[in-house]
Amino acid sequence: GAVVSQHPSRVICKSGTSVKIECRSLDFQATTMFWYRQFPKQSLMLMATSNEGSKATYEQGVEKDKFLINHASLTLSTLTVTSAHPEDSSFYICSARDLSQSSYEQYFGPGTRLTVT
Amino acid sequence: GQQLNQSPQSMFIQEGEDVSMNCTSSSIFNTWLWYKQDPGEGPVLLIALYKAGELTSNGRLTAQFGITRKDSFLNISASIPSDVGIYFCAGPPRSNYKLTFGKGTLLTVNP
Repeated sequence: GAVVSQHPSRVICKSGTSVKIECRSLDFQATTMFWYRQFPKQSLMLMATSNEGSKATYEQGVEKDKFLINHASLTLSTLTVTSAHPEDSSFYICSARDLSQSSYEQYFGPGTRLTVT
Repeated sequence: GQQLNQSPQSMFIQEGEDVSMNCTSSSIFNTWLWYKQDPGEGPVLLIALYKAGELTSNGRLTAQFGITRKDSFLNISASIPSDVGIYFCAGPPRSNYKLTFGKGTLLTVNP
């Protein structure tokens, strides 16, 4: 149980284009999902909290107009990187909390490797 | 923001050896989580701790929630090559379900 998928696993795009990443909870419902960014050999950095049916909350320093988050259902959140630049190249990972549990446990997707050329 | 100090940064051990790593916080945590991340993958939850003093095992892994609620330990016994990866501690600094992560411990196991 507690499986989270991400799509795509890898994406290469040109500078200036937009890329959408999907995060799905496969066997549980999640009112809250989280988007992280991870640079090589570094820890996970929380970018934003995605809330089903309401606006995402962004961490300090994260541009909400550049990283658009939509949480349209209890099993799907999407992150769109708009007007991508090479410095946006990174490993993006989502996680989800099980709605039926009151715990702090987050279950992570396998990540999406974004390369902007 | 809240920092978790995780040590050691990296470990190089021989197969069969035991491993210990720890995490400390400057403030009290109500939950400690330990994750393992393989290269190019997302973190996988290993153990969750909810009570001060709690000692929980998952196979060869054992984790403890420090009695002061400001630290936690993860031990791996009889290491095997597939234990290789980065181990992260994590906890919620506040009750809003966000997690703060340690910087990770990179474990290398020589067969």
